[in-house]
Amino acid sequence: EPEVTQTPSHQVTQMGQEVILRCVPISNHLYFYWYRQILGQKVEFLVSFYNNEISEKSEIFDDQFSVERPDGSNFTLKIRSTKLEDSAMYFCASNGGAGETQYFGPGTRLLVL
Amino acid sequence: QKEVEQNSGPLSVPEGAIASLNCTYSDRGSQSFFWYRQYSGKSPELIMSIYSNGDKEDGRFTAQLNKASQYVSLLIRDSQPSDSATYLCAVNKLNRDDKIIFGKGTRLHILP
Repeated sequence: EPEVTQTPSHQVTQMGQEVILRCVPISNHLYFYWYRQILGQKVEFLVSFYNNEISEKSEIFDDQFSVERPDGSNFTLKIRSTKLEDSAMYFCASNGGAGETQYFGPGTRLLVL
Repeated sequence: QKEVEQNSGPLSVPEGAIASLNCTYSDRGSQSFFWYRQYSGKSPELIMSIYSNGDKEDGRFTAQLNKASQYVSLLIRDSQPSDSATYLCAVNKLNRDDKIIFGKGTRLHILP
């Protein structure tokens, strides 16, 4: 069964460093998303991406964040200068159409020291 | 007002009994409703999706939607220890952005 994959599974970085989180969505899906979940809190929407552009971004997704689909398979989230409060699980998701089920990847646990 | 509200629990249910999980949402424009299961440290896993009023059954799971009351529920019959997890209620509005709004989740503990 097709699944969303994410790398790395864990990332430890120093405050102020740049990190890139990678995702490979399900191959025939058209919509891509990033969510994050701070430990003990709810899953929060960060950004949606369709047709090679951002569809919507939340207030969390400030200028330090960017997304890119550099080729036909990868979807990346870049945090330019990490802060302590960026420590969280980051989930990539994809679906084939509006309103359809979003399938989540296993997540990347980011720890900013 | 929180967009999606759930009782955080924990909800303790004896093995073999019915677990009942509830959720309310604030935006009447919501059109798609989902229940995800999340084990500790893992990603959300879809259990059920429901789009119209009424009941939808899939195996031991039944989702119920009442748009007039802005209420979604999930029933788990014949609860098993492996059902112990956090259950996330989620909604979206089918706008261009298609983002999902999650509740904080209800922790379910099945007692052997």
